[in-house]
Amino acid sequence: QKEVEQNSGPLSVPEGAIASLNCTYSDRGSQSFFWYRQYSGKSPELIMFIYSNGDKEDGRFTAQLNKASQYVSLLIRDSQPSDSATYLCAVKSGSWGKLQFGSGTQVVVTP
Amino acid sequence: GAVVSQHPSRVICKSGTSVKIECRSLDFQATTMFWYRQFPKKSLMLMATSNEGSKATYEQGVEKDKFLINHASLTLSTLTVTSAHPEDSSFYICSASQGTGGTGELFFGEGSRLTVL
Repeated sequence: QKEVEQNSGPLSVPEGAIASLNCTYSDRGSQSFFWYRQYSGKSPELIMFIYSNGDKEDGRFTAQLNKASQYVSLLIRDSQPSDSATYLCAVKSGSWGKLQFGSGTQVVVTP
Repeated sequence: GAVVSQHPSRVICKSGTSVKIECRSLDFQATTMFWYRQFPKKSLMLMATSNEGSKATYEQGVEKDKFLINHASLTLSTLTVTSAHPEDSSFYICSASQGTGGTGELFFGEGSRLTVL
């Protein structure tokens, strides 16, 4: 069983709609959760992180964490073509800052 | 966020040669750096954890004699791919953490695309 799982997609979203991405993890001791965006041929860039149960909003992005169910999600509101990328879920379990990455969900926003 | 710089961004080399990739934290001291490898359309695969002043910790299946890591200062870690072969062609990305505490987010370098002919 993979430690961090994501649906690979592609997730096709009409421009202006909400994109919903999900991520599940296996380690109940996981402490912090991150969403990264990666454009093709580029390195990942941090979108946001969350470590408490509930929702965290930052602009058009909302991260949701449910530790009891061991999932974290990312909502992208008012999706734009520039949001087309692969979104990586990452989970921190240990004290080193070592992150476990999911395989990523490809999002395609269609005009 | 913090800035991590990686160099070179692209390198092409002949089979059998060695290639060095540098990773620098520009505006913070990185006690820990991580080296990842990524194949096309695949996720990041952690290769090793680099700690300043000590030996790197390699993930299972990663040859430490082939992928030499040196973290000689708090702002610089290097990855040397020794005796490179075509199967070593990949996108190598470094990342840095500002410390063991806090939320632990990683800041990534721009990545280095290695092509071995």
